[in-house]
Amino acid sequence: DTAVSQTPKYLVTQMGNDKSIKCEQNLGHDTMYWYKQDSKKFLKIMFSYNNKELIINETVPNRFSPKSPDKAHLNLHINSLELGDSAVYFCASSQDSSTYGYTFGSGTRLTVV
Amino acid sequence: GQQLNQSPQSMFIQEGEDVSMNCTSSSIFNTWLWYKQDPGEGPVLLIALYKAGELTSNGRLTAQFGITRKDSFLNISASIPSDVGIYFCAGLRDNNDMRFGAGTRLTVKP
Repeated sequence: DTAVSQTPKYLVTQMGNDKSIKCEQNLGHDTMYWYKQDSKKFLKIMFSYNNKELIINETVPNRFSPKSPDKAHLNLHINSLELGDSAVYFCASSQDSSTYGYTFGSGTRLTVV
Repeated sequence: GQQLNQSPQSMFIQEGEDVSMNCTSSSIFNTWLWYKQDPGEGPVLLIALYKAGELTSNGRLTAQFGITRKDSFLNISASIPSDVGIYFCAGLRDNNDMRFGAGTRLTVKP
């Protein structure tokens, strides 16, 4: 009964491939997010979706495309993977306009070779 | 986006010692939060602060929301080995946009 679950936990792939990371939350939250954590552990927001609608889209290459089929899911699809995409990607969720912080998944470690 | 400056970057302490870390920003936040990240896991919320001047405790952890709304600190008293990890401050605006500090890596020697 994991609150925010991401799959896969590890992803190793070659440059140029297309891959997807899935995220699901069972908390009934309205908003979901994708964060990227680089090798220096810095967490940077990528996208934010509220009730399936995009509300934040930081400066992220358009090779990254989030998809939210319903408010419990926010998947991240990455086209034409590059070496610099290697990082840990975290999904998170929160109640709409929440001031209670976010609940994070355990991360997906993407390695592009 | 807003920059949160978190310090120190890392700390090496002896078990039983107290720890203090802080976060400052050039922008005002409505909510300040402190998270801890263990290896291979996502950040987990420790303390959330909602009002300027607020001082909140969670066990051995105490955090304060600065009066100017541009800073916060976290104290850990009587550290234990399981306190090891990376601690992140985060500032939250109204529009579900949370920004993180760069983290403080804490090592506790038994």
